[in-house]
Amino acid sequence: NAGVTQTPKFQVLKTGQSMTLQCAQDMNHNSMYWYRQDPGMGLRLIYYSASEGTTDKGEVPNGYNVSRLNKREFSLRLESAAPSQTSVYFCASSEARIFSYNEQFFGPGTRLTVL
Amino acid sequence: RKEVEQDPGPFNVPEGATVAFNCTYSNSASQSFFWYRQDCRKEPKLLMSVYSSGNEDGRFTAQLNRASQYISLLIRDSKLSDSATYLCVVMVLSGGYNKLIFGAGTRLAVHP
Repeated sequence: NAGVTQTPKFQVLKTGQSMTLQCAQDMNHNSMYWYRQDPGMGLRLIYYSASEGTTDKGEVPNGYNVSRLNKREFSLRLESAAPSQTSVYFCASSEARIFSYNEQFFGPGTRLTVL
Repeated sequence: RKEVEQDPGPFNVPEGATVAFNCTYSNSASQSFFWYRQDCRKEPKLLMSVYSSGNEDGRFTAQLNRASQYISLLIRDSKLSDSATYLCVVMVLSGGYNKLIFGAGTRLAVHP
């Protein structure tokens, strides 16, 4: 099993360009998440999908959109990239029943630089 | 004020040393607590959960003090392979969803 995979691993964009970060998991998990990690700050939740067909905003959703394509795949789109979106992006998945904790498994990350 | 606060370090210790990390959290309604480990330029991975009674996993001991809203991680007999950033993570129930709040991490460097 590959676990959680992300593409691309690295990306450089110019301000105003758009791109989609791809994420897939093969653990049959219901819930998937997108985080960003910036120096000196903890991981911050951008969007999450509690189950196939649903998506919800996290802590820092502005400038992003997501699509839960099916149970396996959850993509993150930057419509018009800004330098403030330079960050490392992690996708994660978990079994996540609402009133109990299930470990979140993370992908290897995408390092995005916006010039 | 950050919801989860950690000393960023780095903690530079020799092999075999005992080292302790602390973490404080601000939300008294926090339900569950964890330590994740993140190697340089890698993804976070769950190290251990933290229980009120304290728990141990080999050389690692985690403690929780709910009254003081304080979590600790003790590593005994440090190995070179323990060099990493340790993330304190708190779970709160928010909008029907178990939200994880991550600290910025404490960096540990173990040297020969």
